[in-house]
Amino acid sequence: QKEVEQDPGPLSVPEGAIVSLNCTYSNSAFQYFMWYRQYSRKGPELLMYTYSSGNKEDGRFTAQVDKSSKYISLFIRDSQPSDSATYLCAMKPSGGYQKVTFGIGTKLQVIP
Amino acid sequence: DAMVIQNPRYQVTQFGKPVTLSCSQTLNHNVMYWYQQKSSQAPKLLFHYYDKDFNNEADTPDNFQSRRPNTSFCFLDIRSPGLGDAAMYLCATSRDLGYEQFFGPGTRLTVL
Repeated sequence: QKEVEQDPGPLSVPEGAIVSLNCTYSNSAFQYFMWYRQYSRKGPELLMYTYSSGNKEDGRFTAQVDKSSKYISLFIRDSQPSDSATYLCAMKPSGGYQKVTFGIGTKLQVIP
Repeated sequence: DAMVIQNPRYQVTQFGKPVTLSCSQTLNHNVMYWYQQKSSQAPKLLFHYYDKDFNNEADTPDNFQSRRPNTSFCFLDIRSPGLGDAAMYLCATSRDLGYEQFFGPGTRLTVL
């Protein structure tokens, strides 16, 4: 079993839809949770960075962490064609240096 | 703007011919990382530098080496590229260990 599981998609939605992207994980030591957006042939760009459980909102993006279920989500409201990209979840334990474990990414296409 | 720069963006090499990829940063971050990302896969950490201290991942092949001559620059050397080394190579930096990582645009390596 992989430490981080993420559905690769592709996920196609119409412009304006609410998008839900998810990851599950098995390592209960993970405390920091991140979402990166990666456009085709570009490097990942950090979108959201959260610690432990709860919600964090930034504009149209909301990150949600449920540690009891080992489940994290990224919601995108009012999706735009420019949101079309691959979204990678990433996570790591707390305490000094800890390697970040990435999901394989979900490819999202927002259709105008 | 402060950023992570990778050169070249695209690199073609022949099987067995040494190649060097370059990364520079204007963020003045202490930590620099090299990741390998193959198509539809999660980024895989190869090694990182904390200042001048080199840290190799246990499963990184000996074929991959790195140099960090100063704070701003880091190089990835592939001594004898094989066909399986064709991938996107991502450089990332963080202010210190355990902090958010910021990625460069990547170098796509093709091995003929």
